[in-house]
Amino acid sequence: EIVLTQSPGTLSLSPGEGATLSCRASQSVSGSYLAWYQQKPGHAPRLLIYGASSRATGIPDRFSGSGSGTDFTLTINRLEPEDFAVYSCLQYGTLPLTFGGGTKVEIK
Amino acid sequence: QVQLVQSGTEVKKPGASVIVSCKASGYSFSRHALHWVRQAPGQRPEWMGWIIPGNGNTKYSQKFQGRVTIVSDTSATTAYMDLSSLRSEDTAVYYCARDNGLQWLMDYWGQGTLVTVSS
Repeated sequence: EIVLTQSPGTLSLSPGEGATLSCRASQSVSGSYLAWYQQKPGHAPRLLIYGASSRATGIPDRFSGSGSGTDFTLTINRLEPEDFAVYSCLQYGTLPLTFGGGTKVEIK
Repeated sequence: QVQLVQSGTEVKKPGASVIVSCKASGYSFSRHALHWVRQAPGQRPEWMGWIIPGNGNTKYSQKFQGRVTIVSDTSATTAYMDLSSLRSEDTAVYYCARDNGLQWLMDYWGQGTLVTVSS
């Protein structure tokens, strides 16, 4: 199975700063079928990015995704207070579907 | 709007089975697969399998094959995940999630159901 490794484990930032999150796959992700989710405690995951770089419906343009093959990045420009959460990547190109271990973006 | 509402918290003893339900609304239930994903405390999420309600076809992760059964009731627009032979390591939050039809992308998720396995 494809193992996704996210880094860093935790990012401590202030509102208004930018964030760069990494998701590295153990083998190439078929079709760049890589998604990013945001999750807050007690809430369901929210789809942010799919196909490595397409924003889901209603997602602000401060969120952007890039990458292909084995290296993918989620960038958040100008963090808003509501952006402090855990972010996970998912590869959905190869069975079994697999998730990364998550990056927590916390308030510094 | 798309909504997935799951059944409530469960506490089970080792060796028992648990059934978690997922009631869908706001879209054509038969036309979208439904995935099940679980997340144990401190662990990454794990994909368990999916069902296509329109034809009942299922696909399970090898890790759970033989212990998990996913079924759906199209008249009730509800899917069910049955996990048997529970052990303490099965303590987790279990989620259902809709497949949006782009490969196996999960777009909308249920609120999660906590299943605790303890003697």
